Amino acid sequence: DVKVTQSSRYLVKRTGEKVFLECVQDMDHENMFWYRQDPGLGLRLIYFSYDVKMKEKGDIPEGYSVSREKKERFSLILESASTNQTSMYLCASSPDRGLGQETQYFGPGTRLLVL
Amino acid sequence: AQSVSQHNHHVILSEAASLELGCNYSYGGTVNLFWYVQYPGQHLQLLLKYFSGDPLVKGIKGFEAEFIKSKFSFNLRKPSVQWSDTAEYFCALYPYNTDKLIFGTGTRLQVFP
Repeated sequence: DVKVTQSSRYLVKRTGEKVFLECVQDMDHENMFWYRQDPGLGLRLIYFSYDVKMKEKGDIPEGYSVSREKKERFSLILESASTNQTSMYLCASSPDRGLGQETQYFGPGTRLLVL
Repeated sequence: AQSVSQHNHHVILSEAASLELGCNYSYGGTVNLFWYVQYPGQHLQLLLKYFSGDPLVKGIKGFEAEFIKSKFSFNLRKPSVQWSDTAEYFCALYPYNTDKLIFGTGTRLQVFP
């Protein structure tokens, strides 16, 4: 079974803090993704990565950055947290980049509250 | 721009009722389509997917979806729902050559015994 883990289930941070969200997958997947999930807005893609040290912007990258130094680990960084970044953050991974038929496997999510 | 619309935001049903959740997308080219489900307190997981062949796709737990290209639709169906189907359901589109999965806003399904 594919396992995607996220470092925290719940986080509370203050405005202006630098926040790190970690994601690890154990199935040697090439692709990794960060989404945020908000009520009424569904899932929106923040960043994704197809390989180590590679990253691509998603639909809402502003205020975020990412790091992928190892294949199994994909980190999301909030450089200076703001209250509008309060959300549920979901990490996902999928196998080789193909024709878009791959299933994405999701982690349990990190619920971040920025005060 | 590509997009996915799920018009039913919140659906409430009694057990044994039939279910149909709407999903429409906007994209003129070849697509792959997915339904994901998020049970309370659990990870988002794949319910079923379509990428070619028979437009009627069967998934886990008795769910099915039909791809109707002329209507740009991929509605999810189940003939008889159970209390355990209470969850949030997301339709997603993968337009060819875009490298991104585009999710709808989700439909929250509540099934009462």
